[in-house]
Amino acid sequence: GENVEQHPSTLSVQEGDSAVIKCTYSDSASNYFPWYKQELGKRPQLIIDIRSNVGEKKDQRIAVTLNKTAKHFSLHITETQPEDSAVYFCAAGGGFKTIFGAGTRLFVKA
Amino acid sequence: DGGITQSPKYLFRKEGQNVTLSCEQNLNHDAMYWYRQDPGQGLRLIYYSQIVNDFQKGDIAEGYSVSREKKESFPLTVTSAQKNPTAFYLCASSINGFTDTQYFGPGTRLTVL
Repeated sequence: GENVEQHPSTLSVQEGDSAVIKCTYSDSASNYFPWYKQELGKRPQLIIDIRSNVGEKKDQRIAVTLNKTAKHFSLHITETQPEDSAVYFCAAGGGFKTIFGAGTRLFVKA
Repeated sequence: DGGITQSPKYLFRKEGQNVTLSCEQNLNHDAMYWYRQDPGQGLRLIYYSQIVNDFQKGDIAEGYSVSREKKESFPLTVTSAQKNPTAFYLCASSINGFTDTQYFGPGTRLTVL
């Protein structure tokens, strides 16, 4: 079946450094790619999303890039802060077709 | 996401009991979903509903049942047939069931005693 692979599973960075999380997807028909942040015991919250007619999208310290040919998309967080520590999930597709990656646990060390 | 509520926040179940988790949304979304999340794991789809009075099984529907009698409500029943129900349950909704962003409720943590 269709799947989304997410790497790395754990990422530790120093405060102020950048963090990059990468995902690959298998369904070439996917055209919507959201990213969620989940803090411990809380709900996943949408932080940024991108549609397939756009190659890059930026929102302050967060950016997402999409390479549809290679079926890759990535989340970039610059100037990381301790409050960025959380689990990040990528996803491909929308509605009931959404397939989530397994998650990346990001630790930002002060 | 403030328009999706789940109750209770914590739920304890004895073995052999059925329990029902509530999910309500006031976002006028057509589609609703139930996910299960185990510690340190991703999200697995239990059931989804694209419209009132219609719902479909997801990847791990065995031992669970749902109903969608009203647009705003999508309750999940965890039956005694679910052998390992201890998990964090998340409800979500989206404008439609095809291309739109899912927004999540705060979750219910179910523990079997």
